[in-house]
Parts: sequence; C-alpha cells; structure tokens
Amino acid sequence: DIQMTQSPSSLSASVGDRVTITCRASQTISIYLNWYQLRPGKAPRLLIYAASSLQSGVPSRFSGSGSGTDFTLTINSLQPEDFATYYCQQSFSSVDFGRGTRLEIK
Amino acid sequence: EVQLVESGGDLVKPGGSLRLSCVASGFTFSHAWMNWVRQAPGKGLEWVGRIRSTTDGGTIDYVAPVKDRLTISRDDSKNTLYLQMNNLKTDDTAVYYCSPSRPGWELFPVFDYWGQGTLVTVSS
Repeated sequence: DIQMTQSPSSLSASVGDRVTITCRASQTISIYLNWYQLRPGKAPRLLIYAASSLQSGVPSRFSGSGSGTDFTLTINSLQPEDFATYYCQQSFSSVDFGRGTRLEIK
Repeated sequence: EVQLVESGGDLVKPGGSLRLSCVASGFTFSHAWMNWVRQAPGKGLEWVGRIRSTTDGGTIDYVAPVKDRLTISRDDSKNTLYLQMNNLKTDDTAVYYCSPSRPGWELFPVFDYWGQGTLVTVSS
C-alpha cells in the first residue's frame, strides 16, 4: 500500500479566503493523484485528476499541483458550497485515499 | 447522462451476508472497469476492489482486508455490478459506492462518476 498523508485534517476558513490542502505519498506516484470533494448526502465529486488537471465543470477557483510525492489542492475565493471534506487519491499503484481534510466555516 | 444506483444495504448481524447491487446507465457498462469504494462513519474513503471488463479478462482485485470475504461480480446483460459480502464484521459498516474507472485510465484509476451509495450496518 502507498500511504497518503493529508494535512491538515481540518481547517476553518471564511468565505472569500484562499486555502491549501496538502497530500504526501509514502513513495513516488508521478502525477497519478486525484482530488475529490465529499458533501453530506451527496455523491463524491472529482475535482482534479492527474495532479493538476481540472475536471470538466469544476470551477476554476480549484487548482492542483505537485508531482512525485508532494501535492497540493488550492481553493481560491472560498464559496459557501466549498465547505466540505476533501480527499486525495493515488492511482499509481492500486488505489489509496488520504484520510481527508474537513473544511469548515470560521 | 451517467447514472449509478446502488442498493441492497441493510442492517445485518456480525457473521451475516449481504449482496449489494449497482445498476449503471449512460455508458457502455460492458467496457467499463468497475469499482467499489466505501466510507465508514466518520472515516475516510477506502477502495474495496474492482473488476475489469469482460473483454479485458474480467479479473478482480481486492484490498487485502476484504479479500476472503467480499466478492465482486458483474452481469453485463443487466448493466449491473455486485458485491457479495460474507462473514460481515462491524468494521464493514459503511456507505458503499460504485464507480467506473475513466476509460483509457483503467491502470491509473480516476473516478469521474459515483452513485449516492448504499448503507451497510453491521451490528448485533
């Protein structure tokens, strides 16, 4: 298994803020890193694939970067609907998810 | 429009069995590598396993903790994915989602589409 370490596990922010979530893989995974958003009662939503490619239909305030072992998800100008839990997922070798980052309203 | 509808979740006692179904539409199911992912209450997402398309051999991969108790299968004539769960443990309590791997990315899975999930509760 590849261990995916997300940080922080939770954070508080305000509408309009910029936030960054990090994900570190226990071994190199090239760019095979995806990001998902989970909101209560809704199906998971793919935001970013291949580390930095924006999924169709996802607002451009979401962006991803990184390669190798270190990755980030950045959300610019937070909107009310962005308060959710975010997960990274590696697909380089089998599939592993991070433990999630809960984004709460300050 | 891609639709995935999971069903079959229920309250079951430890040691019991359950079969989950996922009915798919809006894409060519027979060509898709299909996955099960679960989320235990208050926990993160966990990939359970996948079944390759029949044309790609139909072979199955599982995450280690479930390998001997959970069985993934598919019926392409019904556009349906199954998860047979035996000897259930309390740790299997979770919402179970199905998702197809993005075409062309099967070896490096990307999950574009998800169902709403079905809740399995294992408790005495």
